[in-house]
Amino acid sequence: ETGVTQTPRHLVMGMTNKKSLKCEQHLGHNAMYWYKQSAKKPLELMFVYSLEERVENNSVPSRFSPECPNSSHLFLHLHTLQPEDSALYLCASSQDRGGAQFFGPGTRLTVL
Amino acid sequence: GQQLNQSPQSMFIQEGEDVSMNCTSSSIFNTWLWYKQDPGEGPVLLIALYKAGELTSNGRLTAQFGITRKDSFLNISASIPSDVGIYFCAGPQGGSEKLVFGKGMKLTVNP
Repeated sequence: ETGVTQTPRHLVMGMTNKKSLKCEQHLGHNAMYWYKQSAKKPLELMFVYSLEERVENNSVPSRFSPECPNSSHLFLHLHTLQPEDSALYLCASSQDRGGAQFFGPGTRLTVL
Repeated sequence: GQQLNQSPQSMFIQEGEDVSMNCTSSSIFNTWLWYKQDPGEGPVLLIALYKAGELTSNGRLTAQFGITRKDSFLNISASIPSDVGIYFCAGPQGGSEKLVFGKGMKLTVNP
């Protein structure tokens, strides 16, 4: 596989569930990002990792917990989400911080 | 913070027509990026511009980095139905890794 992949592509979960989103990049990049895209809203940057170290946390609620075990993988752990958290969650990577970002296909999350 | 003003917000064109869109900012950007997003998918990088005055093509797409470094243009020639989607401009916010995105331009191509 090439580029940035995300699994699952679709996820429906209840407010009491715990789930995880996975992102993998096959580009040899050093920086990875999580974004949230809600309907009719611009992309919201959630987290930035550079060389596996979190360098940005944009006031994201603690019910979202990122994990970057190595430079190729990024997870977003979800627990006790709210219906307003339903959105398209996008992962991206770039060679270095500030470089052109390449996005994955996204995970469409629905919280019931 | 820096903002990107993208216009127009939407366009309806006939297949075969050319289309132009632009992005402006009150601040200088050192990189301009153009993305296309299909419904339910992630944005795909179309063209990256790194130098003021740079003109770059990718197939039927041509983009230019404005000489003032405060604007950029994207042109699509001879549009086809699969050009339908939302086009975003973006650039790194001054000195950081954060990308600032325009609000997007929704393109509809009528066959």
